[in-house]
Amino acid sequence: DVKVTQSSRYLVKRTGEKVFLECVQDMDHENMFWYRQDPGLGLRLIYFSYDVKMKEKGDIPEGYSVSREKKERFSLILESASTNQTSMYLCASSLRNEKLFFGSGTQLSVL
Amino acid sequence: GEDVEQSLFLSVREGDSSVINCTYTDSSSTYLYWYKQEPGAGLQLLTYIFSNMDMKQDQRLTVLLNKKDKHLSLRIADTQTGDSAIYFCAESIINDYKLSFGAGTTVTVRA
Repeated sequence: DVKVTQSSRYLVKRTGEKVFLECVQDMDHENMFWYRQDPGLGLRLIYFSYDVKMKEKGDIPEGYSVSREKKERFSLILESASTNQTSMYLCASSLRNEKLFFGSGTQLSVL
Repeated sequence: GEDVEQSLFLSVREGDSSVINCTYTDSSSTYLYWYKQEPGAGLQLLTYIFSNMDMKQDQRLTVLLNKKDKHLSLRIADTQTGDSAIYFCAESIINDYKLSFGAGTTVTVRA
């Protein structure tokens, strides 16, 4: 079974801090994704990557950046965290344009 | 862009059948998916259907696809308390890496 692991289950950060969310997958998938989930809004795509060092903006990239130096790892970076970035962050991976496998999520609170 | 819509809430009595509905707009969809999210967890793939199929059955789950009306449904037979969760409908588009998700339907199973 595919395993997608997110490094933290819960994070609490202060406004203005730089925040790193890490995600690792173990099935050699080309594609990796970062979504945020907010009540009533469903999942919104922040960034995705279809290969090492490649990235594309999703629907809501503002305030975020990403890094994919190795195929198995995809990092989401909040350069200067703000309270409106308090959310559940979900990482996912997939092979080509097939089904997504999700991690357990990171609940981020920015105070 | 793609639009996937689903109703936000469904309440069902234990032992009854649940039917969750979803509509989508992009006619070039390849696969349609149902994901389940239990409280505090990531998304788990429940089932999926290829766009040239009308129906797929998997134990208590039945997926119906009406491609003409762009309507997808998930029926859960003999609903149990463990089926209480948020259910997301999603579609993939040919030559696109991303999935488009609906806002999620919160299913509450009452005794």
